[in-house]
Amino acid sequence: AQSVTQLDSQVPVFEEAPVELRCNYSSSVSVYLFWYVQYPNQGLQLLLKYLSGSTLVKGINGFEAEFNKSQTSFHLRKPSVHISDTAEYFCAVRKYSSASKIIFGSGTRLSIRP
Amino acid sequence: DVKVTQSSRYLVKRTGEKVFLECVQDMDHENMFWYRQDPGLGLRLIYFSYDVKMKEKGDIPEGYSVSREKKERFSLILESASTNQTSMYLCASSSGGGTTSYEQYFGPGTRLTVT
Repeated sequence: AQSVTQLDSQVPVFEEAPVELRCNYSSSVSVYLFWYVQYPNQGLQLLLKYLSGSTLVKGINGFEAEFNKSQTSFHLRKPSVHISDTAEYFCAVRKYSSASKIIFGSGTRLSIRP
Repeated sequence: DVKVTQSSRYLVKRTGEKVFLECVQDMDHENMFWYRQDPGLGLRLIYFSYDVKMKEKGDIPEGYSVSREKKERFSLILESASTNQTSMYLCASSSGGGTTSYEQYFGPGTRLTVT
């Protein structure tokens, strides 16, 4: 069975500082990987996804993530955060063969300090 | 623009009441999902549907049922609401078929409080 672990439940950073949100997954088969963002009082929206090809994936709002198969990781990074990045971030995984089910991590709350 | 709407943003119900949460998508998607979101637990799948009148249990189906009579509409039903069902409920949809169903589109959520 697959699982997704987000190692940090909360990450506080100062504005304009870099940030990395960590995600590790476990799966015995090939997977697709996603990061979703949830702004306060809203649903989730897709930030970026890894399907195949280049292991460095760029998403919206200046975020990027790197797929590392050997370490089964898919960490999310941004070189300089803004107040508007305050949100909860969810890592998710889907098996190639899955009908459509996605497994979500428990989320990381990113708080930006001015 | 892609859109998933949920009937209520906030809902307060009493223990034992029958509760209906409605979700509508306008993208002609085959797949629809109901999740509940609780702090520290992420999103947990309650039920999903891959076609009209078809449904499959997710990870936490107990105490819930669903209905999908039309492709665009997916309803979550709490037969007899209990306080441990107080939560945020999120609906999502995705396109169907093999490797094309990559991304799920989410509604804004319904925050349900059962007193």
